[in-house]
Amino acid sequence: GESVGLHLPTLSVQEGDNSIINCAYSNSASDYFIWYKQESGKGPQFIIDIRSNMDKRQGQRVTVLLNKTVKHLSLQIAATQPGDSAVYFCAENHYNTDKLIFGTGTRLQVFP
Amino acid sequence: DADVTQTPRNRITKTGKRIMLECSQTKGHDRMYWYRQDPGLGLRLIYYSFDVKDINKGEISDGYSVSRQAQAKFSLSLESAIPNQTALYFCATSDFGSYTFGSGTRLTVV
Repeated sequence: GESVGLHLPTLSVQEGDNSIINCAYSNSASDYFIWYKQESGKGPQFIIDIRSNMDKRQGQRVTVLLNKTVKHLSLQIAATQPGDSAVYFCAENHYNTDKLIFGTGTRLQVFP
Repeated sequence: DADVTQTPRNRITKTGKRIMLECSQTKGHDRMYWYRQDPGLGLRLIYYSFDVKDINKGEISDGYSVSRQAQAKFSLSLESAIPNQTALYFCATSDFGSYTFGSGTRLTVV
């Protein structure tokens, strides 16, 4: 059976609550950060991005916060819905190299 | 049609066999990538290509080779498959940071 993500950190939230997923990145030279959503059997899907000259960016129901001092990134999902259940990855990139480096991921489970 | 198409979607092969995974894209991007995903881990870069004449190794290129046949096509080969190459493989294209991923190939080496 499907075994991807068995050892991933898991965040369980109730439908309608807000979710916060955290990520630590490694390269202080990275200047572009992206959050991806991966549903079972599918490739990563872009959610939201942020450049290093910003500390906050908002999308529809999602907000990304960047703290460069401690190399930390977070994804906030407002009013979490069952369709948000997935594995979420942060990724860092450097414009000059354009090579994504992925974090290990967090599984988000939404229960009624 | 998907922007990035990977074939096959699933493959079971025997140890020692040569296998090729194919990727084609309709985005018109010059940059293409092959990633591998293992259970509990994020994607790790195998090879990348910034144009047809440019091929570069990623962090885990040993045991793999690639061919960039055209701007739209980038294939990954396992010359002699081994069981620890069992994984999910993803192809991607990018346009200076905007990445699009394929749906993946699940490869099992027995």
